[in-house]
Amino acid sequence: DQQVKQNSPSLSVQEGRISILNCDYTNSMFDYFLWYKKYPAEGPTFLISISSIKDKNEDGRFTVFLNKSAKHLSLHIVPSQPGDSAVYFCAASGLGNQFYFGTGTSLTVIP
Amino acid sequence: NAGVMQNPRHLVRRRGQEARLRCSPMKGHSHVYWYRQLPEEGLKFMVYLQKENIIDESGMPKERFSAEFPKEGPSILRIQQVVRGDSAAYFCASSPSQGIQPQHFGDGTRLSIL
Repeated sequence: DQQVKQNSPSLSVQEGRISILNCDYTNSMFDYFLWYKKYPAEGPTFLISISSIKDKNEDGRFTVFLNKSAKHLSLHIVPSQPGDSAVYFCAASGLGNQFYFGTGTSLTVIP
Repeated sequence: NAGVMQNPRHLVRRRGQEARLRCSPMKGHSHVYWYRQLPEEGLKFMVYLQKENIIDESGMPKERFSAEFPKEGPSILRIQQVVRGDSAAYFCASSPSQGIQPQHFGDGTRLSIL
């Protein structure tokens, strides 16, 4: 019962280009969405979030887009840098404090 | 990941032994969450606790697993009579007491069962 799905296990992008990571969810009660970045042997680090009352949130090189009708969100990183190479998890929450995580997308930024 | 402290970072146990994983939340955080990550998989929610209370344990196996967050001291995830399938990375996260807030994660405990 995977309520949050990241269908691309990996993505490679040239340095300086845009990285687009996608995430789909099934539960229409979700109203808060987050992206986390994870390096090997470390815990996930919070990147950016968006609530369902907005369709876009931007923080520096990172922008999250939310399409509620399609139950889809995406993370755009521009310009991509080699230090962005990591695994990115999207997460969603509805009523209560439980967060549901996707299976992650491994991003490689090629210098 | 400064703030949420997990120990040990690596834990090796033989089948049938007990594993105790500890988590100290960030200062001022009273909500603690435990997640398990199996190889090639995402983070799976296990249990959500507040001080002295289990709020949601719907993701935790009914047998052999237990969790607590006492009034004083760290949160403990306890696995009794470990089996090979318990080998995973166990992550703890914490959040402030009010509202929907991002969870802040520790660096995890890698549990290996021989």
